[in-house]
Amino acid sequence: EVQLVESGGGLVQPGRSMKLSCAASGFTFSNYGMAWVRQAPTKGLEWVATISYDGSSTYYRDSVKGRFTISRDNAKSTLYLQMNSLRSEDTATYYCTREAPYGSYSYWGQGVMVTVSS
Amino acid sequence: DTVLTQSPALAVSPGERVSISCRASEGVNSYMHWYQQKPGQQPKLLIYKASNLASGVPARFSGSGSGTDFTLTIDPVEADDTATYFCQQSWNDPNTFGAGTKLELK
Repeated sequence: EVQLVESGGGLVQPGRSMKLSCAASGFTFSNYGMAWVRQAPTKGLEWVATISYDGSSTYYRDSVKGRFTISRDNAKSTLYLQMNSLRSEDTATYYCTREAPYGSYSYWGQGVMVTVSS
Repeated sequence: DTVLTQSPALAVSPGERVSISCRASEGVNSYMHWYQQKPGQQPKLLIYKASNLASGVPARFSGSGSGTDFTLTIDPVEADDTATYFCQQSWNDPNTFGAGTKLELK
């Protein structure tokens, strides 16, 4: 069974940093591209960042470029999102997702809440 | 960015057929996907590339469309289908999601 379990969220002050982790199991992690998708409270979904299966390519939405870094450790089957210079508009539930053919997301974690507030 | 427009809410009775629409601000070929999100849960992939049923999804769900206009159909609707349904396009960068259609059962 595919499982994606996020951790590392919580309350953080504006301008500070936070690192999210996603532990994957039930599939060969190193074969799949992975992504982070977020959802602000009572809002819709928003793609944040994507990393290729081997970590050689990364992509970000404009609003997080230069502040967020997506990475992976295939030996540990773990995905990361390092978030720096956090803003109030980054407040959201962050989902770890596994990419599927044609750009959809076939599996999602339960999500981890990040609240940016003083 | 490609804007996906969905109607905000629909109400139907169990056993009926419901169609949920998604209109893109520019062409997305057939690279449109649909997700179901129940309260307090993560989204679940229902349909990928416009009309392909994701693994384990009941055949009551179907998708159609190409270009800019897409439809998710549930027939027949069951009580458990109460949820918000999101469309997502992956043809244009960045990939984007619609605001969601909340489906309520009468």
